[in-house]
Amino acid sequence: QLVLTQSPSASASLGASVKLTCTLSSGHDNYAIAWLQQQPDKGPRFLMNVNSDGTHTRGDGIPDRFSGSSSGAERYLTISSLQSEDEADYYCQTWGPDIWVFGGGTKLTVL
Amino acid sequence: QVQLVESGGGVVQPGRSLRLSCAASGFTFSSHAMHWVRQTPGKGLEWVAVIWYDGSNKYYGDSVKGRFTISRDNSKNTLYLQMNSLRPEDTAVYYCAKAAPLLDYWGQGTQVTVSP
Repeated sequence: QLVLTQSPSASASLGASVKLTCTLSSGHDNYAIAWLQQQPDKGPRFLMNVNSDGTHTRGDGIPDRFSGSSSGAERYLTISSLQSEDEADYYCQTWGPDIWVFGGGTKLTVL
Repeated sequence: QVQLVESGGGVVQPGRSLRLSCAASGFTFSSHAMHWVRQTPGKGLEWVAVIWYDGSNKYYGDSVKGRFTISRDNSKNTLYLQMNSLRPEDTAVYYCAKAAPLLDYWGQGTQVTVSP
């Protein structure tokens, strides 16, 4: 069964870096994923896709403070030079045969 | 630029029906699969349905299978979601999203509330 697992919360200081993790279920470690950002009271915004080899492609207008990487079944989103507007929920998303799946989301707090 | 604008949400009683629309612009609508995704208050995202670029294939999440129908009109650049036999647990913000195949553009959502 295709499942994405995320930690419920994370925090980091203004100007620092943070690395969020999305873990693919067993047998799915070659899947690409997308990272989405959802700021309070807004719709989700596509940040990037991350492939199993760690290559990533950012969405339109996404600054290079946002980067992606991979290791095995884990997909990462790293945000550097944290800004107050980065405080948001972050979701990962992937798809399989006839099904699209979201992780439970990570709430990022910028201290 | 890509724009997706949902409409048709509202308050409806359990067992009734509602049809959502999503008007698309800024890209070649007829070349892309499209999705509906929902989000319950304070909760995460739940995939609802997808329709292929030409309408040839449609797939649904288990919680809506048999009750919801996704469709599209490529001549009008519009995506639809017909929701029948609505339940209180269908209360959510409903988003349409463009597929590439990952969901790379999203609308702002429309609120659906199912309440007596």
